[in-house]
This record gives sequence, structure tokens and C-alpha cells, in this order.
Amino acid sequence: GQNIDQPTEMTATEGAIVQINCTYQTSGFNGLFWYQQHAGEAPTFLSYNVLDGLEEKGRFSSFLSRSKGYSYLLLKELQMKDSASYLCAALDSNYQLIWGAGTKLIIKP
Amino acid sequence: ETGVTQTPRHLVMGMTNKKSLKCEQHLGHNAMYWYKQSAKKPLELMFVYSLEERVENNSVPSRFSPECPNSSHLFLHLHTLQPEDSALYLCASSLGLAGDYNEQFFGPGTRLTVL
Repeated sequence: GQNIDQPTEMTATEGAIVQINCTYQTSGFNGLFWYQQHAGEAPTFLSYNVLDGLEEKGRFSSFLSRSKGYSYLLLKELQMKDSASYLCAALDSNYQLIWGAGTKLIIKP
Repeated sequence: ETGVTQTPRHLVMGMTNKKSLKCEQHLGHNAMYWYKQSAKKPLELMFVYSLEERVENNSVPSRFSPECPNSSHLFLHLHTLQPEDSALYLCASSLGLAGDYNEQFFGPGTRLTVL
């Protein structure tokens, strides 16, 4: 079957760094997406990885290891506005996104 | 503003009612999606349309009926729903299906309550 695993909840301190992990099992693989979803709002795109390695985009970076079926999202210099759910989603061979349940990130002052 | 609008934003309906959800995208995208989001569960893909043709129907009950009259509009027709259908229904669009073309832009959602 197809499956995405990510932690349910994480807590971090303002100004710190946090890494949110995601493992995936899909029928074929055409890339890995990360989305951010604030409470009561729609998801918004953060990153896309299809090749192994680290992609940096400002305070956010995303890493992919295809051989391990593993990705992480790294958030630096955390701000209170980063409190949100972070959704990992893998694109399978049928070009369907398989979604994780999301990681709720709580930022404390 | 993501360029994807949904109406209504909130809907309360009885199990015998018929209603429709509307989605419109102003991004010139070719693919549109309906998702169901329930608390603490992964997003559930319901329907995918690419170039106005249905690509996938993920075993969705027939009480949900999609319609895609053109590449900018998507409807979800609802009839004889059950209380467990209460959820947030999200519409999304993307440039295409493959690779980073699948970057999806979401509407604000319709919060549906079935009594």
C-alpha cells in the first residue's frame, strides 16, 4: 500500500531550528512536496524535491533521499508565525499526491 | 489570495438536501482537484480533472458527483449525504499533473456540516 509517515506534533522555541521528518512508500515516485497549513486556512506550497539532496529557500530547506524513501523540512530562525501544520506529500506513478496527516508545529517564545 | 475561489465558505445541510459546491480558478491551470479534509486525517483526494477530463475517481460514494464544465470551473454536487461527510472540502488547481507542474494552489475550502 501507499503510506506517508510524519510526526503528529512537535514543539520548538522561537529563534531555534526544527527538522520535520517524513518517510514515504508509494507506487512509483515523481517527487515530494511540502505544504504549510495554518489553522483554519488552506495549505500553501513550500517546496518540491525530485532529486536527492538539499534545496534551500530562505529560512526553509527541504531534503530528499530517494533510496531511503525519506525527506525532511528544516526550518531555521523560527518565528511565531511558523506555528502551523506541515504536510508531506509524495507524487506517485499515476501523478496522484499521497498525503501525510501533517505535523503540527508549536512555537514557544 | 491564491487565485482559487470557493463558494459557499460554510454550508449546513440535512441528509435529504441537494446542494452544490463551486470552485473557480483564475490561474490558467489545466488540472483541478476536490479533496476532503477531516480532523487529524490526511487529505483525501476525491476527484481529479485534467483538461476537463476526469482522471481519477478514488472510490468516492455516488452521493458526491463532480462536474467540470471548463478548465476554470469545478463543481461538487451533493445529495443524501451522511453525518460522517461533515468535513472541510478543498478545491485545488495545478498547471499539470507531472512533477513540479503538480504544485497545487488551494481555495479556502467549504466547511460542510451534515445534520
